[in-house]
Amino acid sequence: GDSVTQMEGPVTLSEEAFLTINCTYTATGYPSLFWYVQYPGEGLQLLLKATKADDKGSNKGFEATYRKETTSFHLEKGSVQVSDSAVYFCALTHSGTYKYIFGTGTRLKVLA
Amino acid sequence: DGGITQSPKYLFRKEGQNVTLSCEQNLNHDAMYWYRQDPGQGLRLIYYSQIVNDFQKGDIAEGYSVSREKKESFPLTVTSAQKNPTAFYLCASSIGKGRGGEKLFFGSGTQLSVL
Repeated sequence: GDSVTQMEGPVTLSEEAFLTINCTYTATGYPSLFWYVQYPGEGLQLLLKATKADDKGSNKGFEATYRKETTSFHLEKGSVQVSDSAVYFCALTHSGTYKYIFGTGTRLKVLA
Repeated sequence: DGGITQSPKYLFRKEGQNVTLSCEQNLNHDAMYWYRQDPGQGLRLIYYSQIVNDFQKGDIAEGYSVSREKKESFPLTVTSAQKNPTAFYLCASSIGKGRGGEKLFFGSGTQLSVL
C-alpha cells in the first residue's frame, strides 16, 4: 500500500539557517502531495501542496518540488525563524479518494 | 470566520465510560474525518463521512462510533471498548465530491486522557 517516510527529528537549527526536511513516498500512479504544519496544541494547517510531477508548491518562504523520478517531496526554507518551530507532516492522497497517508512528522526547533 | 470547531479541548474518561467529542464545521464541506494522533506518530484515520447519513470505517475504527445526521456535525464517541483511548483527536473536513488534490481543514483538537 501507499506510504510516506519522513526524516526523524527533532531537527534543531539556529535562526536564519537553511532548512531541509526529507520526505519520500511509495504510491501507485500520481498522488497529490502536501506539507502540513502543526503548532503546539493545535490542529494541522496546510503549508503547501503539489498535484503533479515537477510542480513546486510554495508558501511563507517554504518550498517543495514534486519529484516523480525520486518519489520525493522535500521541504526547504532558506532562512528559518524561531516562529517556524513546529511539527511538519508530509502527506499524500489520490484523486477521487478520501484516504490520506501521513508521515510520522518531523519536529523542528529553531533557536534564537 | 469559517472553520472547524472541536470541543472540549481537554476531556477525561473514567473506566467503563463512553465519551463524545464534538466537531462542527461551517465551511459547507461534504466530507468529514476523525483522526487519532499519538506522540511521535502520524495521523491514523478512525472514521470518515462523504455525505450526510453515511460514514465508513478507517484504519482503527474498533472501539469508536460516529454519526452524521447533519452536514455540519460529525461527533465521535469513544466507547468503553476502546482500551487505550489516551490520544489527541483531530477532526477534519474537505470539499468532498471526489475532487482530486483536496486539502484538509483541521480543527484544533481534543486531548483525551484516562483517569
